[in-house]
Amino acid sequence: EIVLTQSPGTLSLSPGERATLSCRASQSVSNSYLAWYQQKPGQAPRLLIFGASSRATGIPDRFTGSGSGTDFTLTISRLEPEDFAVYYCQQYTSSPCTFGQGTKLEIK
Amino acid sequence: EVHLLESGGGLVQPGGSLRLSCAASGFTFSSYAMSWVRQAPGKGLEWVSTISGSGGSTYYADSVKGRFTFSRDNSKNTLYLQMNSLRAEDTALYYCARGLRISSSCFDYWGQGTLVTVSS
Repeated sequence: EIVLTQSPGTLSLSPGERATLSCRASQSVSNSYLAWYQQKPGQAPRLLIFGASSRATGIPDRFTGSGSGTDFTLTISRLEPEDFAVYYCQQYTSSPCTFGQGTKLEIK
Repeated sequence: EVHLLESGGGLVQPGGSLRLSCAASGFTFSSYAMSWVRQAPGKGLEWVSTISGSGGSTYYADSVKGRFTFSRDNSKNTLYLQMNSLRAEDTALYYCARGLRISSSCFDYWGQGTLVTVSS
């Protein structure tokens, strides 16, 4: 099973700043089958990025996914108040699909 | 608009059984693989099971294999997760989720979840 390690565990930033979240895989994620989800308290996860860099429907262009192989990044260019949440990466290149442990993005 | 609504969660004793349901609307249900993903209180996400659009193929996490059965009724646009021999570690919020057309294990829509608590 592919293990995903997200860093940092918690990221403290202010609105308007740039956020960079990392996801590292224990094995290569072929076809860039890597997704990013956002989860706010009391809500279900929301798909942001699939295929490492494709934005899901309705996702603002301040969210950018990049990377390949074992190293992936989610960048939020200018943080809005509604962006403070927990972010998970997920690989779906091999079964079982697995999730990272999450990065909590909090207001500084 | 895609809508997924889970039900059937509750408190059950260890070793007991529970059946979860997920009612879907707003899309051609039989064209999509569907999955269950769970989240233990305060923890991360864990994939549980996936079923193909026709219902002919099912896949399970090792942690639930042999205890959980995933099925669907395409005439009713409904999913079912039969959970037997429940353990304390099965305690979680259970989400049903729709897979992308291009890749069934990437989930583009999620329900709000139903809580399963296994405790004596």
